[in-house]
Amino acid sequence: GAGVSQTPSNKVTEKGKYVELRCDPISGHTALYWYRQSLGQGPEFLIYFQGTGAADDSGLPNDRFFAVRPEGSVSTLKIQRTERGDSAVYLCASSLGIRSSTDTQYFGPGTRLTVL
Amino acid sequence: AQSVTQLGSHVSVSEGALVLLRCNYSSSVPPYLFWYVQYPNQGLQLLLKYTTGATLVKGINGFEAEFKKSETSFHLTKPSAHMSDAAEYFCAVCRGTASKLTFGTGTRLQVTL
Repeated sequence: GAGVSQTPSNKVTEKGKYVELRCDPISGHTALYWYRQSLGQGPEFLIYFQGTGAADDSGLPNDRFFAVRPEGSVSTLKIQRTERGDSAVYLCASSLGIRSSTDTQYFGPGTRLTVL
Repeated sequence: AQSVTQLGSHVSVSEGALVLLRCNYSSSVPPYLFWYVQYPNQGLQLLLKYTTGATLVKGINGFEAEFKKSETSFHLTKPSAHMSDAAEYFCAVCRGTASKLTFGTGTRLQVTL
């Protein structure tokens, strides 16, 4: 079946601009996660959704970052007033959501964001 | 706070040799432990995970890992490396009822002829 998909695969923007990154989870997965991976680092947690609600947003670095999942499926990560330090690969993952701490998280290929 | 340490950012082995990738964790409670592999231009793929029960966990592609509570370790091994194993490997932990994964910095495995 189809895995987690993310669009766009690459996004180049200018400092100060607004960007939206989209994630389509595996059908039927109620849990959805966003991570950020900087060069040479492991992924860092940003936010976790269970259904439509953000169950844990403790990883969002500041109020320029926001994510939504209005219908409990597709999610959009929104970054306002982008800064060069936001450049990274943004990863989305989904899981069944039955017991989230042990469920396998399935990752998408990521969106590479470059802020010039 | 929990953290994951992967010793060795780069590991090189000959084809057919033993693969050993090290992972140590710090956690105030027993964690759930995961190994993911990332091939070039691909998403992270789960190799194996430890939740409860048997401490020796077998995963895909011939990999296995052993949870050693006394050593706070979860090292990844494979008896015989193959060229197709060349990739970046990440160890991760998830503690208790939390759902977020905390990843190590990764180990890049190179396999030479």
